[in-house]
Amino acid sequence: GAVVSQHPSRVICKSGTSVKIECRSLDFQATTMFWYRQFPKQSLMLMATSNEGSKATYEQGVEKDKFLINHASLTLSTLTVTSAHPEDSSFYICSADNVGKETQYFGPGTRLLVL
Amino acid sequence: QKEVEQNSGPLSVPEGAIASLNCTYSDRGSQSFFWYRQYSGKSPELIMFIYSNGDKEDGRFTAQLNKASQYVSLLIRDSQPSDSATYLCAVVTSWGKLQFGAGTQVVVTP
Repeated sequence: GAVVSQHPSRVICKSGTSVKIECRSLDFQATTMFWYRQFPKQSLMLMATSNEGSKATYEQGVEKDKFLINHASLTLSTLTVTSAHPEDSSFYICSADNVGKETQYFGPGTRLLVL
Repeated sequence: QKEVEQNSGPLSVPEGAIASLNCTYSDRGSQSFFWYRQYSGKSPELIMFIYSNGDKEDGRFTAQLNKASQYVSLLIRDSQPSDSATYLCAVVTSWGKLQFGAGTQVVVTP
């Protein structure tokens, strides 16, 4: 149980375009999902907390207008990187809060490369 | 002061030996503690969680928690080359946020 999927697993895009990443909880309902970013050889950095049916809560320094988060259902959250630039190239990982388990289960991650 | 601190390593461990990883945290009100393993280029996977003081064993892994000292550790017995990874300590703070340490890289040498 507690499987989280992400799509796509890898994406290459041109500078200035937008990229959407989907995060799904496959066998449980997640009222809360989290989006992380990880640069090479660095730890996970929480970008935002996504709550179903309400606005996401962004961490300090994360631009909410650049990283659009939508959590329309209990099993799906999306992160859209708008007007992507090369410095946005990173490993984006979502996780879902399994209610009652008090921990987070991670998706496999999406590697974004902006040319 | 970081909220969750780990030695970055690398921790080099001979195959078959015990790997000992340490983690300290600053929020005394933290109640839940987790260890994740992250292979290079992959996302973290949960390997252990512990809520109460003392030891918790699961296969070759033992988590140890000492809330008075604000210290949580992970022991890996009979280390295998497949255990080579970065191990992330994570703590749920008193305000309900999961905070990660920077991770300890473990290298198991044959």
